[in-house]
Amino acid sequence: DAGITQSPRHKVTETGTPVTLRCHQTENHRYMYWYRQDPGHGLRLIHYSYGVKDTDKGEVSDGYSVSRSKTEDFLLTLESATSSQTSVYFCAITAGAYNEQFFGPGTRLTVL
Amino acid sequence: DAKTTQPNSMESNEEEPVHLPCNHSTISGTDYIHWYRQLPSQGPEYVIHGLTSNVNNRMASLAIAEDRKSSTLILHRATLRDAAVYYCILREGGSNYKLTFGKGTLLTVNP
Repeated sequence: DAGITQSPRHKVTETGTPVTLRCHQTENHRYMYWYRQDPGHGLRLIHYSYGVKDTDKGEVSDGYSVSRSKTEDFLLTLESATSSQTSVYFCAITAGAYNEQFFGPGTRLTVL
Repeated sequence: DAKTTQPNSMESNEEEPVHLPCNHSTISGTDYIHWYRQLPSQGPEYVIHGLTSNVNNRMASLAIAEDRKSSTLILHRATLRDAAVYYCILREGGSNYKLTFGKGTLLTVNP
């Protein structure tokens, strides 16, 4: 357990509303990531961070923004949620002897 | 990004060895071969990784072909708790440790 929590764990929202998902870690790891996972697919990287205020895009970043104002929190924002953003969102950090990734429990987001 | 090819699904019996193959014919010299698995309703977890030599840890073994164009994850005695999707991933050196997941192999373990 790398001390990663995600909130909320479940959320139902309506199209056009803003949504913010939070990833929190307790061990001051530098790298953090946001992925989405859709049925029948592996995880796809949305955005990642390599330090406070240092972020970069992943392969599916359109429609998403991120912020990291302090080491322990990495926020994912959907400015105007769409039904295509219905998914399970996983946060991860890089840690350990081999810089492997450790994943949070996931947030299930439904956009109606 | 270099890509990997895995079978969509495999089946095994409990307490038998399982060999999960992965092809990565376009691997570059600085790519590490990583394996993660995802249990039902959970996030992925790291299993093992290697560069050129075979590797063992408490979870599994990783056998890497001499030309590095393929690898095999070996579970020595499958248990019901090993039922998961297994992902073979190439991680580029100096890539901010990013991972590119494919669809993986769904392993079913029969009692």
